[in-house]
Amino acid sequence: DVKVTQSSRYLVKRTGEKVFLECVQDMDHENMFWYRQDPGLGLRLIYFSYDVKMKEKGDIPEGYSVSREKKERFSLILESASTNQTSMYLCASDTQSSGANVLTFGAGSRLTVL
Amino acid sequence: QKEVEQNSGPLSVPEGAIASLNCTYSDRVSQSFFWYRQYSGKSPELIMSIYSNGDKEDGRFTAQLNKASQYVSLLIRDSQPSDSATYLCAASNSGNTPLVFGKGTRLSVIA
Repeated sequence: DVKVTQSSRYLVKRTGEKVFLECVQDMDHENMFWYRQDPGLGLRLIYFSYDVKMKEKGDIPEGYSVSREKKERFSLILESASTNQTSMYLCASDTQSSGANVLTFGAGSRLTVL
Repeated sequence: QKEVEQNSGPLSVPEGAIASLNCTYSDRVSQSFFWYRQYSGKSPELIMSIYSNGDKEDGRFTAQLNKASQYVSLLIRDSQPSDSATYLCAASNSGNTPLVFGKGTRLSVIA
């Protein structure tokens, strides 16, 4: 089974802090994604990556950056956390071949910014 | 702006009934369609995919696609309380473009 592991299940940070959310997948998937999920707004794509060192902006990249130095790891960075970034963050991966768009999600990281 | 629209619900059905979940999409070139299920406090998981017009059945689940009407649906037969969840519809142009998700429909199956 594909496993997507998010390093932190719950985080509480203060406004202005730098926040790192880590995501690791163990099935050699090329594609990795970061979403945030908020009540009434659904899943919104922040950034995605189709290869190492590659990144593409999603629908709501403002206030976020990402890093993909290794194929299995995709990190989401909040340079200066703000209260409107309080949310559930979901990492997902899939493969470009027959598994395209068949996303496997991590358990999520619930971030609270005070 | 590519959009996938779903009625947010909640959709309440009695146990044993057929639950019908609907979805429309705005991008005519969308080729691939997916239904993900998300239990409260959990992550989404894929339950069905459909790529061609018509019906696709998998156990109690049937996905239906009508590209002319830009309409996708999911039928759940013999609904069980364990089917109570939020169902997310998603569409994609191809394997090289990210999925666009609807906001989800909350289904409640009443025992």
